[in-house]
Amino acid sequence: GIQVEQSPPDLILQEGANSTLRCNFSDSVNNLQWFHQNPWGQLINLFYIPSGTKQNGRLSATTVATERYSLLYISSSQTTDSGVYFCAVEATDSWGKLQFGAGTQVVVTP
Amino acid sequence: NAGVTQTPKFQVLKTGQSMTLQCAQDMNHEYMSWYRQDPGMGLRLIHYSVGAGITDQGEVPNGYNVSRSTTEDFPLRLLSAAPSQTSVYFCASSDGQGRYEQYFGPGTRLTVT
Repeated sequence: GIQVEQSPPDLILQEGANSTLRCNFSDSVNNLQWFHQNPWGQLINLFYIPSGTKQNGRLSATTVATERYSLLYISSSQTTDSGVYFCAVEATDSWGKLQFGAGTQVVVTP
Repeated sequence: NAGVTQTPKFQVLKTGQSMTLQCAQDMNHEYMSWYRQDPGMGLRLIHYSVGAGITDQGEVPNGYNVSRSTTEDFPLRLLSAAPSQTSVYFCASSDGQGRYEQYFGPGTRLTVT
């Protein structure tokens, strides 16, 4: 099946810093989503982005499907950005099945 | 809209007991799915459904059963719980047969002793 690798596994940021999280995938995809899991365990959909670039406030994401990677940018980080960020993909030959990466644990310190 | 709801929030079972985790959504989404999340890992797909009466297996289906009799509900059944099923279980739903944003419920934390 498709492999999804996220980097870095852990990230410690000072409030106000910028960061980039990466998601590499091993095969063609129909669907790519970024999620944030907050410290209380709730999973929130950040972006549905199988290709192109999207922005939502201080967060933006870019997927280059032909090169099989996606990037999530966090600008001017805040303590509320802490949590785990997951990338999930649906391979073109696995309709309906989202495969998650292992996540990037982000800690934003005051 | 309540979104995706899951009950119970917490459950402790003894090995061999059975139970059903409930999941409901009020967004009229066609696609629903169940995941489990183990410490330090991403989510793994257990079963999914693209509409009422249609279900299919995900990555880790063994030990779990599902059915989808209505658009709103997608229960997950553990027939004979095992300690390896200790995990946090998430239900999700999506429009467009899973091809769009997935919305997650709050999760059920299950411990099997």
